Amino acid sequence: DGGITQSPKYLFRKEGQNVTLSCEQNLNHDAMYWYRQDPGQGLRLIYYSQIVNDFQKGDIAEGYSVSREKKESFPLTVTSAQKNPTAFYLCASKSGRRSYEQYFGPGTRLTVT
Amino acid sequence: AQSVTQLDSHVSVSEGTPVLLRCNYSSSYSPSLFWYVQHPNKGLQLLLKYTSAATLVKGINGFEAEFKKSETSFHLTKPSAHMSDAAEYFCVVSATGGGNKLTFGTGTQLKVEL
Repeated sequence: DGGITQSPKYLFRKEGQNVTLSCEQNLNHDAMYWYRQDPGQGLRLIYYSQIVNDFQKGDIAEGYSVSREKKESFPLTVTSAQKNPTAFYLCASKSGRRSYEQYFGPGTRLTVT
Repeated sequence: AQSVTQLDSHVSVSEGTPVLLRCNYSSSYSPSLFWYVQHPNKGLQLLLKYTSAATLVKGINGFEAEFKKSETSFHLTKPSAHMSDAAEYFCVVSATGGGNKLTFGTGTQLKVEL
């Protein structure tokens, strides 16, 4: 089955630790995205990548980092510099510049205490 | 610049009655508009999309939306609500001149009661 997988579904970390969230897609999509979702705020764009080895900051990139070494994978690292890391993180992908529709993964809920 | 306003944060309907979720948008370019649905602790699923073709768009699960440029609206409707429709719904805008960036509304929580 084609789709986007995110792992793990739930993640718990202590404050001050970096943590990496996985996102893999087998849709052969060029572009991938990371969003953060907080209650009552909709989704906010963290980082996006339109091709391998290239990525751009979104609206709330501070305290996050990404890499795009393979077309299928776009991991997100939440660093200790992120002041409020507890949130639901969603990864998405789309096929190319002419396409508008993004396909979403099931999400990872990160809790930092 | 682009933005989306979902006019109701919560909507409650009885099963079998019509659903109306309201969305207004603002865009400097010709917009594409989407409605996504999210069930608890799940990813988002595309319900329908408008990309400058027919202004009345039909989606999955009996939902439809009408693009009204004069009113800058893209309201989501369904003639008869089902219990399984209970979820959060997001109106989303993307503009060709904006790098295809998606801007999400803050969501409308739909509750369906027996």
